[in-house]
Amino acid sequence: EAGVVQSPRYKIIEKKQPVAFWCNPISGHNTLYWYRQNLGQGPELLIRYENEEAVDDSQLPKDRFSAERLKGVDSTLKIQPAELGDSAVYLCASSADSAKNIQYFGAGTRLSVL
Amino acid sequence: EDQVTQSPEALRLQEGESSSLNCSYTVSGLRGLFWYRQDPGKGPEFLFTLYSAGEEKEKERLKATLTKKESFLHITAPKPEDSATYLCAVQAGDYKLSFGAGTTVTVRA
Repeated sequence: EAGVVQSPRYKIIEKKQPVAFWCNPISGHNTLYWYRQNLGQGPELLIRYENEEAVDDSQLPKDRFSAERLKGVDSTLKIQPAELGDSAVYLCASSADSAKNIQYFGAGTRLSVL
Repeated sequence: EDQVTQSPEALRLQEGESSSLNCSYTVSGLRGLFWYRQDPGKGPEFLFTLYSAGEEKEKERLKATLTKKESFLHITAPKPEDSATYLCAVQAGDYKLSFGAGTTVTVRA
């Protein structure tokens, strides 16, 4: 079974430029999460989707971040414009059973903003 | 606010030298405590979930235990392939996981 797939793996951009990350969750997983992981820290939740609906986006900086999950499968996270402080690894995770809440993570996208 | 503190930050072990990692937490109404393993350049990989004080779970050379204030991850006779960062996370609400900063374990042959 294929795991959570993310692309690109690495992205280097200049500040004020836009950037987008893509995630394909495990087949059949209705719940999808986007996390940000700073160097030396644990992941921090940005947004959670149940199917197409963003059920928790309270931690998403909405002035510059946006996300969508069309058709309840793939998801895209966008930053526009990027700032130096956005440099981090952006992780996508999915889960099938909300009761057990076992989240399966992708390899992440490492973003460097210059 | 949920708080998760992991110690030590880094641990260097000789192959076969058993040790323990600590995860102390402050949370209102623990629903579950999760252990994940993260290799460099990869996402976290699920290891265990513990739900109540006194519970223990094992997987190969790893054993996780839980009390009302902390969890321990015991590594017995570690091998170089056990080198990784081990993350602890707590769930207080329906789904949100609050992660600690992790303990980076290096096992030398």
